[in-house]
Formats: sequence, C-alpha cells, structure tokens
Amino acid sequence: DAEITQSPRHKITETGRQVTLACHQTWNHNNMFWYRQDLGHGLRLIHYSYGVQDTNKGEVSDGYSVSRSNTEDLPLTLESAASSQTSVYFCASSAGHPNQPQHFGDGTRLSIL
Amino acid sequence: RKEVEQDPGPFNVPEGATVAFNCTYSNSASQSFFWYRQDCRKEPKLLMSVYSSGNEDGRFTAQLNRASQYISLLIRDSKLSDSATYLCVVNSASYDKVIFGPGTSLSVIP
Repeated sequence: DAEITQSPRHKITETGRQVTLACHQTWNHNNMFWYRQDLGHGLRLIHYSYGVQDTNKGEVSDGYSVSRSNTEDLPLTLESAASSQTSVYFCASSAGHPNQPQHFGDGTRLSIL
Repeated sequence: RKEVEQDPGPFNVPEGATVAFNCTYSNSASQSFFWYRQDCRKEPKLLMSVYSSGNEDGRFTAQLNRASQYISLLIRDSKLSDSATYLCVVNSASYDKVIFGPGTSLSVIP
C-alpha cells in the first residue's frame, strides 16, 4: 500500500546543531508539505512543494529549509536548531488538484535542549 | 477574525449522544473543505470531504453552507472511539491557503 513515512520518530538535539527530518511518500503525489504543531496552536505550514525542484515558504518558514530533488522525498532542515523549534513536525502529501485532501505521516517529535 | 474558526469545546458527551461541530471560514473564495480527526498528538487523519450537497458516511454527516461560510459535522450515536480532536480544513485555489482550524476536542463518556 502507498504510504508516507517520517524519520526519525523522536529526536533530541542541542541548540545550534543542524537537523534534518526525512519525509518519504510512495503515493507519487506532486504536492508535499511540512507542518509544525504546538500546544495552543493549530497546524502551521512551514514549507511546501508542488513538484520536483519547486519549494515555497509557508507561514513559519524562518529557520527552516527544504529541497525537492525527486517526487518521493521532501527533507526538512533546521539550519541552526533553536529551543523555539521544539515541536511535533508532520509531513503531508496530496495529489495535484487543490480539491484533493492531504495525507499525513506519523510525525516527528523534536526536542531541542 | 481568524481565517478558520471552530467551536471552542471541549465537548463531553455520553455514549449514544448526537453531537454537532461548526466551523466558519472567512475566505469566500474557498473551494474545498474537509474534516480530519486527530488522536492525542498523532497525525491528523482524513475523516471526510465536505461536498456542496452535503454528504454522509455512516454515523457522520457533513454539511456546507457557502452563503453563511460555515461547515458542520454531525456525529450520531457517539462511540467511545470517537473521542478525538476534530479539525476543519479549508482550501482555496492555491496551496498556501490550506488552512487548518484549531480543532474541537470531543470526549465521549461511558
């Protein structure tokens, strides 16, 4: 069955370190998204991609970057981790049309000490 | 005004009860609508799409009112397993306008 997987599921790191979270989908979806979710906030969009070599900033993109070198993967990089980036991160994908829903990975719980 | 707003909750209902959630949106150009459920910090999962004519999936009924800019979710015969947070999602034509509501928490009590 097609799926979307995130790794690692949990990570603890120190401030100032570079961290990369992986997202891999086998749906062959063009669109991929990264969100963070914090207590007291809903899902907030970090970056998204419409296809290979396309990336766009979302609502809370500062301190994050993504690259899309193939259809299946959209890794999220924290350039220099900050404690404010401690959160749960969700990756999602969707087919090409805006009317198609997004499907989410299991999430990555990231703690920055 | 927030782009997508939901009933504040939490809703605590007994098993077997009927419960309804509303979600209002501010962008009249919004084109597609969904309800997701999210269990205790797990990933959001699609519950159902919301169509203009309204749609039903078992115990769940979704309605869209474009004139008043709201969508609703009705759950009949609530089960303990329905306990979750329900997220309303509104899409405009462009992907950077995929807006998730803050969610409404439901607890079904034995």
